[in-house]
Amino acid sequence: EPEVTQTPSHQVTQMGQEVILRCVPISNHLYFYWYRQILGQKVEFLVSFYNNEISEKSEIFDDQFSVERPDGSNFTLKIRSTKLEDSAMYFCASRDNPDREYHGYTFGSGTRLTVV
Amino acid sequence: QKEVEQDPGPLSVPEGAIVSLNCTYSNSAFQYFMWYRQYSRKGPELLMYTYSSGNKEDGRFTAQVDKSSKYISLFIRDSQPSDSATYLCAMSANNYGQNFVFGPGTRLSVLP
Repeated sequence: EPEVTQTPSHQVTQMGQEVILRCVPISNHLYFYWYRQILGQKVEFLVSFYNNEISEKSEIFDDQFSVERPDGSNFTLKIRSTKLEDSAMYFCASRDNPDREYHGYTFGSGTRLTVV
Repeated sequence: QKEVEQDPGPLSVPEGAIVSLNCTYSNSAFQYFMWYRQYSRKGPELLMYTYSSGNKEDGRFTAQVDKSSKYISLFIRDSQPSDSATYLCAMSANNYGQNFVFGPGTRLSVLP
């Protein structure tokens, strides 16, 4: 079964450093997303990406965040100047064409980011 | 009022029990309703999705939506220890919805 792959599974970084979280969405999917989940809290939307541009972002997704699809397969989330409160699980998700029957997102297994 | 509410649990049941998980919501525009299962330190996995009101059954799982009451449920029959996980409800207003709103999740333990 097709999977969304995320790397690394765990990243530890020092406060103020930049991190790049990587995702390989399912190959025929068109919509890409980043979500985060702070330990013990709910899954929160960060950003959606379609046709090589951001289509929607939440208020969490401020200027320290950026996303990129540098080639035909990878989808990255960059966090500049990380803060302690950025520590969370970050999930990438992708979806097929919504003109087809709705079937929700496929999530990756996540990257656990720890900022120290 | 939070947009989506869900009892966080933990909910502990014996193996074989029928489990009922529920969410309430406040946004009447929601039309697509999903249930995800999340194992510890893993990404959410889609279990069920339902459009508008009604029931949907898939094996041991049944999803119900009551839009008039803004209430959705997931029933698990013949629960197994492997069903032990956190169950997240999620919902969106339309099929082109750019993001879902997730509930905080209910942690379920099925005891052998």
